[in-house]
Amino acid sequence: GQQLNQSPQSMFIQEGEDVSMNCTSSSIFNTWLWYKQDPGEGPVLLIALYKAGELTSNGRLTAQFGITRKDSFLNISASIPSDVGIYFCAGQNYGGSQGNLIFGKGTKLSVKP
Amino acid sequence: DGGITQSPKYLFRKEGQNVTLSCEQNLNHDAMYWYRQDPGQGLRLIYYSQIVNDFQKGDIAEGYSVSREKKESFPLTVTSAQKNPTAFYLCASTPRQFANTGELFFGEGSRLTVL
Repeated sequence: GQQLNQSPQSMFIQEGEDVSMNCTSSSIFNTWLWYKQDPGEGPVLLIALYKAGELTSNGRLTAQFGITRKDSFLNISASIPSDVGIYFCAGQNYGGSQGNLIFGKGTKLSVKP
Repeated sequence: DGGITQSPKYLFRKEGQNVTLSCEQNLNHDAMYWYRQDPGQGLRLIYYSQIVNDFQKGDIAEGYSVSREKKESFPLTVTSAQKNPTAFYLCASTPRQFANTGELFFGEGSRLTVL
């Protein structure tokens, strides 16, 4: 079945640093989404992308839908402590239900000791 | 306040026992979902329901069962047939107009530990 490769698996941030993570697939998706999960909580939608090449911002977050439809990236600028958590990418194709939503394994963001 | 409520938040079970996780939403959402999350893994779909009295298997339905007798409720039973049930279980919902958008609203999760 379809799989998403999300990288990096984990990263440490220092306050003020910019962060970048990406998601790739061998299959085409028509929708890319980015979710964030705080420890012990459910994921929350950050950004949804519906058009190839689309670049969308949500505050300090910027995400892009790759032109090939096989990848997406998420950037966080000027990170702050509350950015820690797990970030998941997800892909879906038109014509399917949410049952066809595929999640990556996540990028865990932690604060540098 | 509107939202999705999962209970219990923590649950311990002995091997061989069935356990039911509750998921209730007062958002008037049509579709509801159950996902399983293991450490370092993405979310894997167990079951989903787009309408009352109807549900479909997800990618890892074996050893689980669900019911959808009411629009606001979608309980998940983890049966003794599930070989590795220790995990974090997430319930989600979405309104009809978001049916194909990928946009889900998640509960806070239930952590099941089998002793």
